[in-house]
Amino acid sequence: ETGVTQTPRHLVMGMTNKKSLKCEQHLGHNAMYWYKQSAKKPLELMFVYNFKEQTENNSVPSRFSPECPNSSHLFLHLHTLQPEDSALYLCASSSGLAGVDTQYFGPGTRLTVL
Amino acid sequence: KNEVEQSPQNLTAQEGEFITINCSYSVGISALHWLQQHPGGGIVSLFMLSSGKKKHGRLIATINIQEKHSSLHITASHPRDSAVYICAVNPTGNQFYFGTGTSLTVIP
Repeated sequence: ETGVTQTPRHLVMGMTNKKSLKCEQHLGHNAMYWYKQSAKKPLELMFVYNFKEQTENNSVPSRFSPECPNSSHLFLHLHTLQPEDSALYLCASSSGLAGVDTQYFGPGTRLTVL
Repeated sequence: KNEVEQSPQNLTAQEGEFITINCSYSVGISALHWLQQHPGGGIVSLFMLSSGKKKHGRLIATINIQEKHSSLHITASHPRDSAVYICAVNPTGNQFYFGTGTSLTVIP
């Protein structure tokens, strides 16, 4: 059973809506990640938080806004998305120790933007 | 060009066959990961390795750091092995590069 949970599992939203994705890990990890997975493309790393500090932001559009209130919770706030943002959004966590990190993934949120 | 290349992209095998999936990468790494993604999206980490070989049940992963190459082998394949297998490399810290995955279908 995964120690990383994501809600909701499926989300359909219009381009003018505001919604949030939630990720929670129960593994005592210090690093959390948001990934985007589009069809036929490699996983794209969006954001990384290590000890609640954002350490990576891979040129993600500002319509995606991450929030990490503590090391167990990670949010992705969405507003004015585009249809091309439809994808599977995966959360992962790891211990945060450089070079020895196995990532544990959540089940993902399947997002459809109409 | 992607930092991680996998082959083949798609693979169909008969139950019981020995399967090999290859991964080549172009950056220096501290570790390489093999991930398994089932239909519906859930991803499971199979192996993390930085040298040599690891075995877990019917799965074997090898890495050659000098050649920047890794292989994932499945012995006595079974339909429940059907999934997408993803190679990922960890150059440093929280940085990861992912391959596009190999879609494996094992037919009974």
